[in-house]
Amino acid sequence: SSELTQDPAVSVALGQTVRITCQGDSLRSYYASWYQQKPGQAPVLVIYGKNNRPSGIPDRFSGSSSGNTASLTITGAQAEDEADYYCNSRDSSGNHRVVFGGGTKLTVL
Amino acid sequence: QVQLQESGPGLVKPSETLSLTCTVSGGSISSYYWSWIRQPAGKGLEWIGRIYTSGSTNYNPSLKSRVTMSVDTSKNQFSLKLSSVTAADTAVYYCARLQQQPYVYYFDYWGQGTLVTVSS
Repeated sequence: SSELTQDPAVSVALGQTVRITCQGDSLRSYYASWYQQKPGQAPVLVIYGKNNRPSGIPDRFSGSSSGNTASLTITGAQAEDEADYYCNSRDSSGNHRVVFGGGTKLTVL
Repeated sequence: QVQLQESGPGLVKPSETLSLTCTVSGGSISSYYWSWIRQPAGKGLEWIGRIYTSGSTNYNPSLKSRVTMSVDTSKNQFSLKLSSVTAADTAVYYCARLQQQPYVYYFDYWGQGTLVTVSS
């Protein structure tokens, strides 16, 4: 399969920890990358590869992977973390296709 | 700091060809992969395709028959053409730089996006 599946919505209390997951067959072979998108803005890369954060991304964002599931964890969620989160990976079919998950809307309560 | 900027018509008629250009500044377009990604209002991201600065391309199979990408390294630009558009092609179109490393593909720089509406 070349699809990535995400929960449509997740909520977290301010300051608590939340995990957003992404499932797909391609994740058995390739790492996921994660993007944060706020309304009216372009996506921003927050995690790529095994667990790499671009410059400027707070260390409360971390990534992990097991089997066909990749996870983005926010430890101590802040109000400004409320956004849509998308995962992506390379498709495992061998044609260099890129696939995205459907996105998860994170609400910080 | 690398910056990307999409440009092109915001309104395209049904059955016509959508044409967009992405201008890269703050760095060279050479030796990287570049992609187009779109997002219909209220929906998720859809990868359209990628192009290397040699001109080599790969497209999303769902759009492959209608998509053409090209690159102009002298202008630090790459372009998208999507033919025979319908209302379903109405979306915000983003250009982005694609990093391809062993076992991971990711987009590290994105344009701000441009809304293209297909309507008569």
